[in-house]
Amino acid sequence: GENVEQHPSTLSVQEGDSAVIKCTYSDSASNYFPWYKQELGKRPQLIIDIRSNVGEKKDQRIAVTLNKTAKHFSLHITETQPEDSAVYFCAAPSGYGNKLVFGAGTILRVKS
Amino acid sequence: KAGVTQTPRYLIKTRGQQVTLSCSPISGHRSVSWYQQTPGQGLQFLFEYFSETQRNKGNFPGRFSGRQFSNSRSEMNVSTLELGDSALYLCASSFSTGNNQETQYFGPGTRLLVL
Repeated sequence: GENVEQHPSTLSVQEGDSAVIKCTYSDSASNYFPWYKQELGKRPQLIIDIRSNVGEKKDQRIAVTLNKTAKHFSLHITETQPEDSAVYFCAAPSGYGNKLVFGAGTILRVKS
Repeated sequence: KAGVTQTPRYLIKTRGQQVTLSCSPISGHRSVSWYQQTPGQGLQFLFEYFSETQRNKGNFPGRFSGRQFSNSRSEMNVSTLELGDSALYLCASSFSTGNNQETQYFGPGTRLLVL
């Protein structure tokens, strides 16, 4: 089955700096890679996703890149703001249907 | 559209009891997945229901079960509760027309504490 590894586990950046979180996956058949943001006490919310037919996708300050050959994908947040502080999870599909395997999460702290 | 809703939001049970959690998906969504979130194990997939049928199952014991109704609402049941079942239980719904992965939208979760 699918295995997803996520690094780093914690990341502290200064407001205005960029943040990068990386994930690797094991199943070469995986073709959909979402990123979720979870604030304390809240539900995970999708912030961006990418499908395997594209290498990069951007949405304002957030971008995701995908390298299918190396089986890794990354989340890039530019011009970080204090409200970006949260736990970020990457995920990849496993098997039939909508099963997602999640990475262990990255705690992002943006210091002002 | 209203988002995914879950009831109850908080629950306290004792070991050996059973519990039923409910999830109402976004209107028109036919797939409901359940996840367990704990500090130690992270987010783990329990099962997925699509058109009232279990389509996928994670690696949890048989004490964890679920079902889906014709209106796509789903319930999960945990029998003979153990201390280790204390967790946030999240459901997620998606439109899901077939095997392709679709965006999953999470509910607020039910926080279960087993004493």
